[in-house]
Amino acid sequence: DIQMTQSPSSLSASVGDRVTITCRASQSISNYLNWYQQKPGEAPKFLIYAASSLQSGVPSRFSGSGSGTDFTLTISSLQPEDFATYYCQQSYSTPRTFGQGTKVEIK
Amino acid sequence: EVQLVESGGGLVQPGGSLRLSCAASGFTFSSYWMTWVRQAPGKGLEWVANIKRDGSEKHYVDSVKGRFTISRDNAKNSLFLQMDSLRAEDTALYFCAREGYNRGYSTFDFWGQGTLVTVSS
Repeated sequence: DIQMTQSPSSLSASVGDRVTITCRASQSISNYLNWYQQKPGEAPKFLIYAASSLQSGVPSRFSGSGSGTDFTLTISSLQPEDFATYYCQQSYSTPRTFGQGTKVEIK
Repeated sequence: EVQLVESGGGLVQPGGSLRLSCAASGFTFSSYWMTWVRQAPGKGLEWVANIKRDGSEKHYVDSVKGRFTISRDNAKNSLFLQMDSLRAEDTALYFCAREGYNRGYSTFDFWGQGTLVTVSS
């Protein structure tokens, strides 16, 4: 199985900050990497697929990059509604594994 | 509008069984792979199982193999998860999700709100 490791596990940031979350796969997954956002008490929301392609309706302040084993999710200017937990997930093979999550909190 | 509504969760004793359901609407159910994902209290997301459009192919995470069975009824736009020999570590919020494809890339593009399963004596 492919293991997905995110860092950091949590971070504190202020509105307007640039935030970067890293996701590493235990083997190459090309660009078969998705990102999700989850707010407390809600279902996850799909943000990015193919490592860097934004889902329709997702604000352009979100961006993704990477290929192979190392990926990043960047929020260029953090907004109040962005405080949430973010998960990466590989779609290269089954089982479809998730990272452990990165909680973005208000500083 | 795509909607996924889970039901069937509840409190069950260790060793017991539950059958979860997911009612789908707003899309052609038979055209999509479907998935179950769970989230233990305060923990992250864990993919559990998925099933092909016609039900002919199924995959499971190792921790549930031999205990859980995923199935679907395309005539009724419904997804199921039969959970047997339940353990305390199966306690979680169970989400059903549609597995969509964007330019050939698999994504969980729509999710239900989840149904809570608690395994405890």
